[in-house]
Amino acid sequence: DAKTTQPTSMDCAEGRAANLPCNHSTISGNEYVYWYRQIHSQGPQYIIHGLKNNETNEMASLIITEDRKSSTLILPHATLRDTAVYYCIVRVDFGNEKLTFGTGTRLTIIP
Amino acid sequence: GAVVSQHPSWVICKSGTSVKIECRSLDFQATTMFWYRQFPKQSLMLMATSNEGSKATYEQGVEKDKFLINHASLTLSTLTVTSAHPEDSSFYICSARDRWAGGNYGYTFGSGTRLTVV
Repeated sequence: DAKTTQPTSMDCAEGRAANLPCNHSTISGNEYVYWYRQIHSQGPQYIIHGLKNNETNEMASLIITEDRKSSTLILPHATLRDTAVYYCIVRVDFGNEKLTFGTGTRLTIIP
Repeated sequence: GAVVSQHPSWVICKSGTSVKIECRSLDFQATTMFWYRQFPKQSLMLMATSNEGSKATYEQGVEKDKFLINHASLTLSTLTVTSAHPEDSSFYICSARDRWAGGNYGYTFGSGTRLTVV
């Protein structure tokens, strides 16, 4: 799996959009970008994933640059419950490929 | 949606004893489950891949005789920490993939087990 780089920590005001960047400059053409988050002392939760087009679901939006070397996860209206560690992972999308977690970004939502 | 049940949620055991952690897929079949370990303020580290009906595949540096994995059915995998020691104290998390799911949607994580060895 390609390596990803994320900021160690970020703060965001409640109600504002939280933008979490991820660099994956060595991503391969068949590798997807996945985002998971882990709230304290719980198992990770899937958020969103994409290949090269921007994606949106009920939780977040994923913006992938045209060269696919970086992406941004956007939480449109952050709430206190969004405080968590967010992991950006790149991997191929077939079979039972394992998920390899990096260090992630600790996002703190400020009241 | 897919649910993975992990038990116990926490356990305290004496040094030298063994502890079994269960991971069940409640509403789907999982031919493959993954076991992770997470130390405080660190990321998840993959320990092993559990394959239904066959031997588990362990990551480099993980002792297979210490961390016994059994995946006897399509809905249950167990991790047994044998002869536990204080350094085995950690947060253990399992993940399962729906064998029929496409894309990433099939990866579901359990709620984790906090093991404390005293």
